[in-house]
Amino acid sequence: NAGVTQTPKFQVLKTGQSMTLQCAQDMNHEYMSWYRQDPGMGLRLIHYSVGAGITDQGEVPNGYNVSRSTTEDFPLRLLSAAPSQTSVYFCASSYKGFTLNEKLFFGSGTQLSVL
Amino acid sequence: AQSVSQHNHHVILSEAASLELGCNYSYGGTVNLFWYVQYPGQHLQLLLKYFSGDPLVKGIKGFEAEFIKSKFSFNLRKPSVQWSDTAEYFCAVNSRSGSARQLTFGSGTQLTVLP
Repeated sequence: NAGVTQTPKFQVLKTGQSMTLQCAQDMNHEYMSWYRQDPGMGLRLIHYSVGAGITDQGEVPNGYNVSRSTTEDFPLRLLSAAPSQTSVYFCASSYKGFTLNEKLFFGSGTQLSVL
Repeated sequence: AQSVSQHNHHVILSEAASLELGCNYSYGGTVNLFWYVQYPGQHLQLLLKYFSGDPLVKGIKGFEAEFIKSKFSFNLRKPSVQWSDTAEYFCAVNSRSGSARQLTFGSGTQLTVLP
């Protein structure tokens, strides 16, 4: 029972590099999302998806792209990494696609440092 | 836009002390309310949730929270904390209309329980 799987767990980038954070869930969840966690700021929503082929922006989408080609996968792409994107990134999913009265299942996080 | 305020950034208690963590939200419509917990080195997990009905909800590990609509509050309580409750606690709100697909988190409260 894998749940929500994020890779990698740690990553160091240089300014300007691009990379993709992977997220996969095996629970057939419709809803998937990406958050970043910064000290004193809690979790802030970057992008979310309510089903394959459907994505939308959250609170802090700039500098990030997402796509949802399958129900299982929801990768987060950093187009040109900046030091301000140093953070811990969490992927989360939920069964319901259009309401959030069910709980979110979180991955274990990716700690990203941009030098 | 909905927002969530957690005014206690760091709370330090001794074992057996009572706990109350504050959470206030700004959205005036119907909301779903959550408390999530992040134990050291672990990912977020749901403590409890409120959607409707009895405003006093009970969660795991002896935690409870009371929804007071007139005060836009959803405070978390525990009568007697244990060392194992040391963690970061996040309040979260989801409106049932408008941005119903987004879950907004507070900035978190770090709880340290001294043995």
